[in-house]
Amino acid sequence: ELKVEQNPLFLSMQEGKNYTIYCNYSTTSDRLYWYRQDPGKSLESLFVLLSNGAVKQEGRLMASLDTKARLSTLHITAAVHDLSATYFCAVDSGGGADGLTFGKGTHLIIQP
Amino acid sequence: DTEVTQTPKHLVMGMTNKKSLKCEQHMGHRAMYWYKQKAKKPPELMFVYSYEKLSINESVPSRFSPECPNSSLLNLHLHALQPEDSALYLCASSARPGLAGANEQFFGPGTRLTVL
Repeated sequence: ELKVEQNPLFLSMQEGKNYTIYCNYSTTSDRLYWYRQDPGKSLESLFVLLSNGAVKQEGRLMASLDTKARLSTLHITAAVHDLSATYFCAVDSGGGADGLTFGKGTHLIIQP
Repeated sequence: DTEVTQTPKHLVMGMTNKKSLKCEQHMGHRAMYWYKQKAKKPPELMFVYSYEKLSINESVPSRFSPECPNSSLLNLHLHALQPEDSALYLCASSARPGLAGANEQFFGPGTRLTVL
Protein backbone atom coordinates (compact mmCIF):
# COMPACT_ATOMS: atom_id res chain seq x y z
CA GLU A 1 0.00 0.00 0.00
CA LEU A 2 1.34 3.39 -1.01
CA LYS A 3 1.77 5.76 1.92
CA VAL A 4 2.47 9.46 1.77
CA GLU A 5 3.42 11.33 4.91
CA GLN A 6 3.63 15.07 5.25
CA ASN A 7 4.96 17.15 8.06
CA PRO A 8 4.24 19.39 9.68
CA LEU A 9 0.45 19.09 9.43
CA PHE A 10 -0.02 22.59 10.79
CA LEU A 11 2.30 25.54 10.48
CA SER A 12 1.85 29.08 11.69
CA MET A 13 4.57 31.48 10.66
CA GLN A 14 5.25 35.14 10.32
CA GLU A 15 5.58 37.05 7.12
CA GLY A 16 9.13 37.29 5.89
CA LYS A 17 10.23 33.97 7.38
CA ASN A 18 11.41 30.86 5.57
CA TYR A 19 10.12 27.35 6.14
CA THR A 20 10.08 23.89 4.62
CA ILE A 21 7.33 21.29 4.30
CA TYR A 22 8.42 17.67 4.01
CA CYS A 23 6.80 14.83 2.10
CA ASN A 24 7.91 11.20 2.45
CA TYR A 25 6.45 8.41 0.37
CA SER A 26 6.73 4.64 0.42
CA THR A 27 6.79 3.66 -3.25
CA THR A 28 9.49 3.78 -5.89
CA SER A 29 7.42 6.16 -8.00
CA ASP A 30 9.31 9.16 -9.31
CA ARG A 31 6.25 11.23 -10.07
CA LEU A 32 5.40 13.62 -7.30
CA TYR A 33 2.97 16.51 -7.33
CA TRP A 34 2.33 19.49 -5.09
CA TYR A 35 -1.11 21.09 -4.88
CA ARG A 36 -2.51 24.10 -3.08
CA GLN A 37 -6.04 24.27 -1.70
CA ASP A 38 -7.72 27.39 -0.37
CA PRO A 39 -10.62 26.99 2.08
CA GLY A 40 -13.76 25.75 0.34
CA LYS A 41 -11.97 25.61 -3.00
CA SER A 42 -10.57 23.00 -5.32
CA LEU A 43 -6.95 21.96 -5.80
CA GLU A 44 -4.51 24.06 -7.79
CA SER A 45 -1.50 22.33 -9.31
CA LEU A 46 1.77 23.90 -8.20
CA PHE A 47 4.60 21.60 -9.22
CA VAL A 48 5.24 18.34 -11.03
CA LEU A 49 8.51 16.62 -10.11
CA LEU A 50 9.55 13.70 -12.28
CA SER A 51 13.12 12.72 -11.58
CA ASN A 52 15.74 12.51 -8.90
CA GLY A 53 17.21 15.90 -8.16
CA ALA A 54 14.38 17.78 -9.85
CA VAL A 55 13.94 21.31 -8.57
CA LYS A 56 11.21 23.72 -9.58
CA GLN A 57 10.55 27.26 -8.45
CA GLU A 58 7.60 29.57 -8.78
CA GLY A 59 7.77 32.88 -6.96
CA ARG A 60 8.41 32.26 -3.28
CA LEU A 61 7.87 28.50 -3.54
CA MET A 62 10.50 25.96 -4.47
CA ALA A 63 9.98 22.21 -4.64
CA SER A 64 12.57 19.46 -4.87
CA LEU A 65 12.61 15.69 -5.20
CA ASP A 66 15.04 13.08 -3.91
CA THR A 67 13.81 9.74 -5.23
CA LYS A 68 16.50 7.77 -3.42
CA ALA A 69 15.36 9.10 -0.07
CA ARG A 70 11.71 9.12 -1.28
CA LEU A 71 11.50 12.68 -0.05
CA SER A 72 10.16 15.88 -1.52
CA THR A 73 10.35 19.31 0.05
CA LEU A 74 8.37 22.49 -0.51
CA HIS A 75 10.36 25.50 0.61
CA ILE A 76 8.77 28.85 1.29
CA THR A 77 10.98 31.90 1.08
CA ALA A 78 10.08 35.22 2.72
CA ALA A 79 6.49 34.16 3.30
CA VAL A 80 3.61 36.50 2.55
CA HIS A 81 0.02 36.30 3.76
CA ASP A 82 -1.28 35.29 0.31
CA LEU A 83 0.51 31.97 0.65
CA SER A 84 -1.79 30.93 3.50
CA ALA A 85 -3.50 27.73 2.33
CA THR A 86 -3.36 23.95 2.69
CA TYR A 87 -0.58 22.30 0.71
CA PHE A 88 -0.76 18.68 -0.37
CA CYS A 89 1.88 16.46 -1.86
CA ALA A 90 0.66 13.51 -3.90
CA VAL A 91 2.19 10.49 -5.57
CA ASP A 92 0.94 8.13 -8.22
CA SER A 93 2.20 4.59 -8.32
CA GLY A 94 3.13 4.76 -11.98
CA GLY A 95 1.98 2.66 -14.89
CA GLY A 96 -1.57 2.64 -16.15
CA ALA A 97 -4.00 5.41 -15.39
CA ASP A 98 -3.38 5.95 -11.75
CA GLY A 99 -5.10 8.07 -9.24
CA LEU A 100 -3.13 10.05 -6.75
CA THR A 101 -2.43 9.18 -3.15
CA PHE A 102 -2.28 12.37 -1.11
CA GLY A 103 -0.48 13.26 2.07
CA LYS A 104 -2.64 14.59 4.88
CA GLY A 105 -1.82 18.15 3.92
CA THR A 106 -0.05 21.03 5.65
CA HIS A 107 -2.33 23.79 6.86
CA LEU A 108 -0.21 26.92 6.56
CA ILE A 109 -1.12 30.20 8.23
CA ILE A 110 1.08 33.21 7.58
CA GLN A 111 0.57 36.07 9.95
CA PRO A 112 1.60 39.69 9.45
CA ASP B 1 -10.42 25.54 -22.95
CA THR B 2 -8.11 24.58 -20.12
CA GLU B 3 -10.46 23.77 -17.30
CA VAL B 4 -12.52 21.04 -15.76
CA THR B 5 -16.13 21.99 -15.01
CA GLN B 6 -18.47 20.36 -12.53
CA THR B 7 -22.19 20.69 -11.94
CA PRO B 8 -23.92 21.30 -9.69
CA LYS B 9 -21.76 23.34 -7.32
CA HIS B 10 -23.93 22.39 -4.35
CA LEU B 11 -26.36 19.52 -3.88
CA VAL B 12 -28.60 18.63 -0.97
CA MET B 13 -30.35 15.28 -1.15
CA GLY B 14 -32.29 12.92 1.02
CA MET B 15 -31.27 9.35 1.62
CA THR B 16 -33.93 8.05 -0.78
CA ASN B 17 -33.11 10.40 -3.64
CA LYS B 18 -31.31 9.65 -6.89
CA LYS B 19 -29.06 12.35 -8.24
CA SER B 20 -26.09 12.69 -10.57
CA LEU B 21 -22.91 14.74 -10.52
CA LYS B 22 -21.46 15.82 -13.85
CA CYS B 23 -17.93 16.62 -14.93
CA GLU B 24 -16.69 17.87 -18.29
CA GLN B 25 -13.32 18.69 -19.83
CA HIS B 26 -12.39 19.79 -23.33
CA MET B 27 -8.63 19.49 -23.09
CA GLY B 28 -8.49 16.20 -24.96
CA HIS B 29 -7.47 14.39 -21.79
CA ARG B 30 -7.82 10.62 -21.83
CA ALA B 31 -8.21 9.90 -18.13
CA MET B 32 -10.82 11.20 -15.71
CA TYR B 33 -11.09 10.68 -11.99
CA TRP B 34 -13.51 11.03 -9.08
CA TYR B 35 -12.22 11.89 -5.63
CA LYS B 36 -14.06 12.36 -2.36
CA GLN B 37 -12.82 14.90 0.18
CA LYS B 38 -14.14 15.16 3.70
CA ALA B 39 -13.55 18.33 5.71
CA LYS B 40 -9.93 18.84 6.76
CA LYS B 41 -8.88 15.59 5.02
CA PRO B 42 -7.01 14.90 1.81
CA PRO B 43 -8.85 13.83 -1.33
CA GLU B 44 -9.42 10.08 -1.60
CA LEU B 45 -9.57 8.33 -4.95
CA MET B 46 -12.88 6.71 -5.86
CA PHE B 47 -12.79 5.87 -9.57
CA VAL B 48 -10.50 6.17 -12.57
CA TYR B 49 -11.55 6.05 -16.20
CA SER B 50 -8.74 5.58 -18.68
CA TYR B 51 -9.58 5.80 -22.38
CA GLU B 52 -13.25 5.68 -21.36
CA LYS B 53 -12.86 2.38 -19.52
CA LEU B 54 -13.12 1.97 -15.79
CA SER B 55 -9.65 1.00 -14.68
CA ILE B 56 -9.69 1.55 -10.94
CA ASN B 57 -12.55 1.24 -8.49
CA GLU B 58 -11.28 1.78 -4.98
CA SER B 59 -13.82 -0.47 -3.27
CA VAL B 60 -16.43 2.25 -3.32
CA PRO B 61 -19.96 1.28 -2.14
CA SER B 62 -22.40 0.45 -4.91
CA ARG B 63 -24.56 3.44 -4.03
CA PHE B 64 -21.98 5.37 -6.08
CA SER B 65 -22.08 4.48 -9.77
CA PRO B 66 -19.70 6.11 -12.26
CA GLU B 67 -20.33 6.53 -15.94
CA CYS B 68 -18.12 7.82 -18.75
CA PRO B 69 -20.32 8.45 -21.82
CA ASN B 70 -17.38 9.79 -23.85
CA SER B 71 -13.84 11.04 -23.38
CA SER B 72 -15.02 14.51 -22.31
CA LEU B 73 -17.74 13.60 -19.85
CA LEU B 74 -17.82 11.85 -16.51
CA ASN B 75 -20.87 11.28 -14.36
CA LEU B 76 -21.31 10.01 -10.82
CA HIS B 77 -24.76 8.59 -10.12
CA LEU B 78 -25.87 8.67 -6.51
CA HIS B 79 -28.56 6.54 -4.93
CA ALA B 80 -29.54 5.77 -1.35
CA LEU B 81 -26.68 7.74 0.12
CA GLN B 82 -25.95 8.02 3.81
CA PRO B 83 -25.26 11.21 5.80
CA GLU B 84 -21.62 10.17 6.10
CA ASP B 85 -21.35 10.49 2.31
CA SER B 86 -21.60 14.25 2.68
CA ALA B 87 -18.37 15.66 1.28
CA LEU B 88 -16.76 17.63 -1.54
CA TYR B 89 -16.66 15.52 -4.68
CA LEU B 90 -13.84 16.45 -6.99
CA CYS B 91 -13.41 15.51 -10.62
CA ALA B 92 -10.01 15.57 -12.29
CA SER B 93 -8.57 14.81 -15.70
CA SER B 94 -5.12 14.05 -17.06
CA ALA B 95 -3.67 13.83 -20.52
CA ARG B 96 -1.26 10.92 -20.45
CA PRO B 97 -2.50 7.91 -18.55
CA GLY B 98 -0.20 4.95 -18.70
CA LEU B 99 2.69 6.79 -20.29
CA ALA B 100 6.07 7.80 -18.94
CA GLY B 101 6.52 11.33 -17.77
CA ALA B 102 4.12 13.68 -16.11
CA ASN B 103 0.49 12.72 -15.74
CA GLU B 104 -0.57 15.93 -14.06
CA GLN B 105 -4.15 15.93 -12.89
CA PHE B 106 -6.27 19.06 -13.21
CA PHE B 107 -9.14 19.39 -10.79
CA GLY B 108 -12.58 20.85 -11.21
CA PRO B 109 -14.17 23.16 -8.62
CA GLY B 110 -16.02 20.30 -6.96
CA THR B 111 -19.59 19.58 -5.93
CA ARG B 112 -20.37 20.04 -2.26
CA LEU B 113 -22.83 17.30 -1.37
CA THR B 114 -24.98 17.23 1.73
CA VAL B 115 -27.04 14.13 2.50
CA LEU B 116 -29.86 14.65 4.97
